[in-house]
Formats: sequence, C-alpha cells, structure tokens
Amino acid sequence: SQTIHQWPATLVQPVGSPLSLECTVEGTSNPNLYWYRQAAGRGLQLLFYSVGIGQISSEVPQNLSASRPQDRQFILSSKKLLLSDSGFYLCAWSPGTPLHFGNGTRLTVT
Amino acid sequence: TQLLEQSPQFLSIQEGENLTVYCNSSSVFSSLQWYRQEPGEGPVLLVTVVTGGEVKKLKRLTFQFGDARKDSSLHITAAQPGDTGLYLCAGATGNQFYFGTGTSLTVIP
Repeated sequence: SQTIHQWPATLVQPVGSPLSLECTVEGTSNPNLYWYRQAAGRGLQLLFYSVGIGQISSEVPQNLSASRPQDRQFILSSKKLLLSDSGFYLCAWSPGTPLHFGNGTRLTVT
Repeated sequence: TQLLEQSPQFLSIQEGENLTVYCNSSSVFSSLQWYRQEPGEGPVLLVTVVTGGEVKKLKRLTFQFGDARKDSSLHITAAQPGDTGLYLCAGATGNQFYFGTGTSLTVIP
C-alpha cells in the first residue's frame, strides 16, 4: 500500500531564516506531488505541483520554491522566511485522482 | 486560480439534525471530491463524483454533483458528534486540484 511521510510535524523559525520541508511517498512510482498551505479552519491553497522529476508548476508567486530531486521526494523551501509564511503546510500525492495527504507541518514564523 | 465557494462557513447543530453543505463554482471540473479534516491532520477523502448529476451515498452522507459539473452538495442525515470536522470540496482540472473555502461543522451531543 502507498504511504506518504511529511516532516517535521511542527516547526518554529525566526523571520529571515531558511526553510526546508520534506515529503516522501512509498509504494508507488511517478506520482503527481503537491504542496498546499492552509490558514486555520479554512480551505487549502495550492502552492506547487509536480508531474515528474524536475518538473515544478507554481500556482502563486511567493517567497517559496519547490523541488523534486527524486521520483517520490518533494521539497518545499525558502531562503528567507516572512511572518506571512506561517501556516499549515500539507503535502499530497495522486495517481491521477484523488489526493492523498500527509499529516502536515505546522510552521510558525516568529 | 479556480474559485470554489462553500456555504455555510460555520455550522453548529444538535445531534440528530440534518444538514446540507454547498460547494459552488463558475468553473467546470472533470471531477469533484469531498474531504473531511480533523484538527492537526491532513484531509481524508470521503467521495469522488465524476458524472454530471451523479449522486453517491456513504451511510448517512449523500453527495451530489451538479448537472453542469460546476457545483456539488453534501447532505448529512441524523448528524452525530463523530461527524464534527472541517468539510472541504475540491474540483479537479487536469492535474490540478482546487479546494473550497471549507465548512466547519460542530455536532453538539
């Protein structure tokens, strides 16, 4: 069966520091991979998605970037965090439809 | 960005009551999913609807996809405290999934 791992679960970072969130998928090959951000109690905003190694599509211009160095690895990064980057970040994979989510990372920028 | 509006945003009801959540958009989607999310966790899929006019039932939950594939509804019969959570609709276009604004449901025992 397929599983998705996302870490860390929580993260507190100062403004201006770098960020790296990692997501890996097991039990499948060539999945579509996604990064979403969620404000408290609200819907999910699509940040990036990838249909293959090195292929990244960005939905919203922002202070973040994504990379897919391996087939089942998806990384969300920032060189300098802003206060507005705080939120709940979710990684997801899909064989086409639907989405399967990790447990998320709660990021607080102080 | 494809916009999906959910209503109501918040809903607090007594155990045993019925409720309906709506998901509306001006865009056409190839499929639509409903998810439920608990605090601090990722959303979990409830159902996928693909065909315009399609109705799916999952125990006390009934899902309907609009004829034009632009909107959907979720009806819960005899709500229970275990139904409490954030309900999210998501429309699929190609490889992209766009989420609704969310409906936070609280069922009071």
